[in-house]
Amino acid sequence: SQTIHQWPATLVQPVGSPLSLECTVEGTSNPNLYWYRQAAGRGLQLLFYSVGIGQISSEVPQNLSASRPQDRQFILSSKKLLLSDSGFYLCAWSSGDRRNEQFFGPGTRLTVL
Amino acid sequence: GENVEQHPSTLSVQEGDSAVIKCTYSDSASNYFPWYKQELGKRPQLIIDIRSNVGEKKDQRIAVTLNKTAKHFSLHITETQPEDSAVYFCAASRSSGGYNKLIFGAGTRLAVHP
Repeated sequence: SQTIHQWPATLVQPVGSPLSLECTVEGTSNPNLYWYRQAAGRGLQLLFYSVGIGQISSEVPQNLSASRPQDRQFILSSKKLLLSDSGFYLCAWSSGDRRNEQFFGPGTRLTVL
Repeated sequence: GENVEQHPSTLSVQEGDSAVIKCTYSDSASNYFPWYKQELGKRPQLIIDIRSNVGEKKDQRIAVTLNKTAKHFSLHITETQPEDSAVYFCAASRSSGGYNKLIFGAGTRLAVHP
């Protein structure tokens, strides 16, 4: 069966510091991978998606970037965090014949102070 | 651009009552409509979905209906229980090559009171 991991689970970072969040998927190959952000009490905002290694598409302009160095690894980064980057970051995957269905990881709760 | 509107934003019911959440989508080419349940501090979980070739789908106490002509779909929860309390998100998408972008509604916070 497929599983998705995210780490760290929680993170407190000062403004201006760098960021690296990691997401890995097990039990599937060539998945589509997604990064979402959820502000407190709000909906899901798609940040990036990837259909393959090295292929990244950005949905909204911001000071975040994403990379996919391996088939089942997706990384979200920032060189300098802003207060507005605080939120719940969710990685998701979809795969195979049912690529519509997206399944979310446990998330990383980021607080920027 | 594509848009999904979800109503109501909050819903309070007594245990045992039914709950209905409605969503309207703008992209007439949308063909997949999932519903996610998110408990406090947890990840969204896919609870049921429907495709455009089907008008209704049931899974125990939950059901989803789709009206393609009116471009709206609804989640129905019968015999609600306190553990149904959560935020529910609807979404819509259409196939586009190898990528299927989900457009999410803003969410409905459901509270089921014992």
